Amino acid sequence: SSELTQDPAVSVALGQTVRITCQGDSLRSYYASWYQQKPGQAPVLVIYGKNNRPSGIPDRFSGSSSGNTASLTITGAQAEDEADYYCNSRDSSGNYVVFGGGTKLTVL
Amino acid sequence: QVQLQESGPGLVKPSQTLSLTCTVSGGSISSGGYYWSWIRQHPGKGLEWIGYIYYSGSTYYNPSLKSRVTISVDTSKNQFSLKLSSVTAADTAVYYCARESIAAAGFDYWGQGTLVTVSS
Repeated sequence: SSELTQDPAVSVALGQTVRITCQGDSLRSYYASWYQQKPGQAPVLVIYGKNNRPSGIPDRFSGSSSGNTASLTITGAQAEDEADYYCNSRDSSGNYVVFGGGTKLTVL
Repeated sequence: QVQLQESGPGLVKPSQTLSLTCTVSGGSISSGGYYWSWIRQHPGKGLEWIGYIYYSGSTYYNPSLKSRVTISVDTSKNQFSLKLSSVTAADTAVYYCARESIAAAGFDYWGQGTLVTVSS
């Protein structure tokens, strides 16, 4: 399968914890990476591999995976975390890149 | 610090070929270890991977675009390029170039993106 599925929209109260999920058959074989995109800006990598954060990404961002589902968790969401979040991985062959449709996160 | 910069026409006529170049600074394409991708985003929509190239010249393309896409690399200029033929209004999008670590996966560096509009 070459599809990754994300919920279109999720909301979270300021300071609370939110989980954004990404489903796809290929996630049984490949880790997902996660990106944050704010309006008018390029995506920024926030999680890659098993649960790795690039330099400069706050430790409130974490990743996990189980079966065909990868999750991005924001523990103690801040107002500046309001953005679109995309997952990406490989398709089942490993040759092609796939992206999820994106999740719009609203911080209330 | 690695930086990627897209360049090319912002307006392309229907049926023509869209051509963009990504210039990489702060790191060498020839060093290996990375795939160099083109990714696009239609207005208000999600990310769509177009294809990637390795420094050796090997490529993989999105099957939905494969018949119209060519990605090439010029290691002497530390650049890679995208050509998308027979464009229509549906190809209007922001086009990004990005680097993906082979070992770690994930696109760790992106260009700022360039809007390409297909219109007569």
